[in-house]
Amino acid sequence: QSALTQPASVSGSPGQSITISCTGTSNDVGGYRFVSWYQQHPGKPPKLIIYEVSDRPSGVSNRFSGSKSGNTASLTISGLQAEDEADYYCSSYTSGSTFVFGGGTKVTV
Amino acid sequence: QVQLQESGPGLVKPSQTLSLTCSVSGDSVGSNSYYWSWIRQHPEKGLEWIGYVFYSGTTFYNASLRSRVTISLDTSKNQFSLKLDSVTAADTAVYYCARVQLRLTAPGNRAFDVWGQGTTVTVSS
Repeated sequence: QSALTQPASVSGSPGQSITISCTGTSNDVGGYRFVSWYQQHPGKPPKLIIYEVSDRPSGVSNRFSGSKSGNTASLTISGLQAEDEADYYCSSYTSGSTFVFGGGTKVTV
Repeated sequence: QVQLQESGPGLVKPSQTLSLTCSVSGDSVGSNSYYWSWIRQHPEKGLEWIGYVFYSGTTFYNASLRSRVTISLDTSKNQFSLKLDSVTAADTAVYYCARVQLRLTAPGNRAFDVWGQGTTVTVSS
């Protein structure tokens, strides 16, 4: 099972918006609403920021939003802030009842 | 407040078995509301899902590791464990345990909503 495809890096200036893509197949991203996104700062465990494509857990800033079209999911960070500089990973549930992660995207502010 | 904590040897010799335990507090590994999962991260690399165990003992594994991995539950200790056989240097990584939410009405459905801090395992002689 191949990892989901994410861009290696994305950068933006403070206040701008950026979007990170996550491309899979009809057996994972395209077939389920169970796409989630994680933020990871250096030396820390990943933190769930988006689940079920576009829902945010309590306490996560509304500057983070998610969407999906076909086999590609996207994470948008609006009003970019210095604290958003981190690695971001997408994940999807799959037709085999397993999970798969994307390769990760380094966001630079 | 649910907390997960990994424990186990930080150094494993090549060809031996890597064994880690995840202790769960604030929730029960015997609940049918979660999967209990292991994920690893190679140095300076991305996340790799290893597998999960359900309260019934049912397991699902990453196909690339299936021949070497076993995940099991110990409900008496409220823990779940990872065993990875015949390790090589390529298994050197930070290993995380995580919870997968299954309740449709709870936030984080089919997502890894709670993570341990991670434990570094180095495979070297």
